[in-house]
Amino acid sequence: AQTVTQSQPEMSVQEAETVTLSCTYDTSESDYYLFWYKQPPSRQMILVIRQEAYKQQNATENRFSVNFQKAAKSFSLKISDSQLGDAAMYFCAYREGAQKLVFGQGTRLTINP
Amino acid sequence: GAVVSQHPSWVICKSGTSVKIECRSLDFQATTMFWYRQFPKQSLMLMATSNEGSKATYEQGVEKDKFLINHASLTLSTLTVTSAHPEDSSFYICSARDQHRGYTGELFFGEGSRLTVL
Repeated sequence: AQTVTQSQPEMSVQEAETVTLSCTYDTSESDYYLFWYKQPPSRQMILVIRQEAYKQQNATENRFSVNFQKAAKSFSLKISDSQLGDAAMYFCAYREGAQKLVFGQGTRLTINP
Repeated sequence: GAVVSQHPSWVICKSGTSVKIECRSLDFQATTMFWYRQFPKQSLMLMATSNEGSKATYEQGVEKDKFLINHASLTLSTLTVTSAHPEDSSFYICSARDQHRGYTGELFFGEGSRLTVL
């Protein structure tokens, strides 16, 4: 079964600084999708960024970018110019085709003013 | 983006009663919806995959007679927690895939429903 591992239960960063959240996954498939979701205190899951495994180019969405290392099965999220509104739980997730999402354990990100 | 709505957002019930949670896709059709459970400060655990017009597929360890799932239309799936007990207290989240968008890999999430069983 596919597994997703986030080894950092908690992270903190100074406002305006850059932080990187780690994620590794295990799969024998070659075609899949990877995601980072944000869950603020409201508990609503918000898609931050998506990466298709067949694409070599790392996805970027404004201040959010990923470092996708397919051979190493690593998918880290970099948040640049951190803002107070970035404080949340961040979940890395894996999906194969139209199948279910498998989530990592989550990383709680705190932004220090 | 596509909108998925859950109702109720918060429900309190007595032990032994049944509670129904609805998940609606408001502006798209969803042949498949997923139900997740999230305990405090933990990740989302998939409970079951809900398929329109057919039986749900439950994950290992999830009691299908306890958590009844019905997906009667392309815009509505319901989760009924039967004979609820305090240990069923949790946050339940649904998600849905827009079948007409082509495959983007993205699921849309509801706001979640907090169940408290007294």
